[in-house]
Amino acid sequence: KQEVTQIPAALSVPEGENLVLNCSFTDSAIYNLQWFRQDPGKGLTSLLLIQSSQREQTSGRLNASLDKSSGRSTLYIAASQPGDSATYLCAVRDNYGQNFVFGPGTRLSVLP
Amino acid sequence: EAGVAQSPRYKIIEKRQSVAFWCNPISGHATLYWYQQILGQGPKLLIQFQNNGVVDDSQLPKDRFSAERLKGVDSTLKIQPAKLEDSAVYLCASSLVPLAPSNTGELFFGEGSRLTVL
Repeated sequence: KQEVTQIPAALSVPEGENLVLNCSFTDSAIYNLQWFRQDPGKGLTSLLLIQSSQREQTSGRLNASLDKSSGRSTLYIAASQPGDSATYLCAVRDNYGQNFVFGPGTRLSVLP
Repeated sequence: EAGVAQSPRYKIIEKRQSVAFWCNPISGHATLYWYQQILGQGPKLLIQFQNNGVVDDSQLPKDRFSAERLKGVDSTLKIQPAKLEDSAVYLCASSLVPLAPSNTGELFFGEGSRLTVL
């Protein structure tokens, strides 16, 4: 059974710092991995999706990497801003392309 | 392109009452998911549909929860009777079926329906 963990559970940084959020999964037979952002009281917004054959994806200040063999993904946020404050969740889709399993999320606070 | 639509956004009921949530996925998305998200946790799958068939309902508490997607488009999730521990956000998501190389299988969420059971 796939299990997804995220470290750290919470993170508080001053504005302008570069930071890394970590996601680990137990079964490397994944179809893809997706990073989401969730603001309080809102649904999940897709940030980046990495297919199992890819190593990384970039969008603006965000870069996500995938090391399938070691069961890890990282989300790198460059030059953090207060507007980046939110909970970041990763989810892996199994190799049969059906179910998604979510991590518990990392709650990020960027202080002005 | 319209996103995933959910209603109501908020619902407050007393325990043992019933409640229903509605979801309309992105047009053309064959796969529809209902997730339960308890405060401070990641979403947990309740049920997954492909068109109007159930793919996975192994974590759905079937003694009180039911869901249907009769015409393979919109879906309804019902809770009857509700318990205090059902207080959560109920998220609907949809995606294309990832059978084609051009389809990434990306998952899209609605805004969620927040349920409070008193």
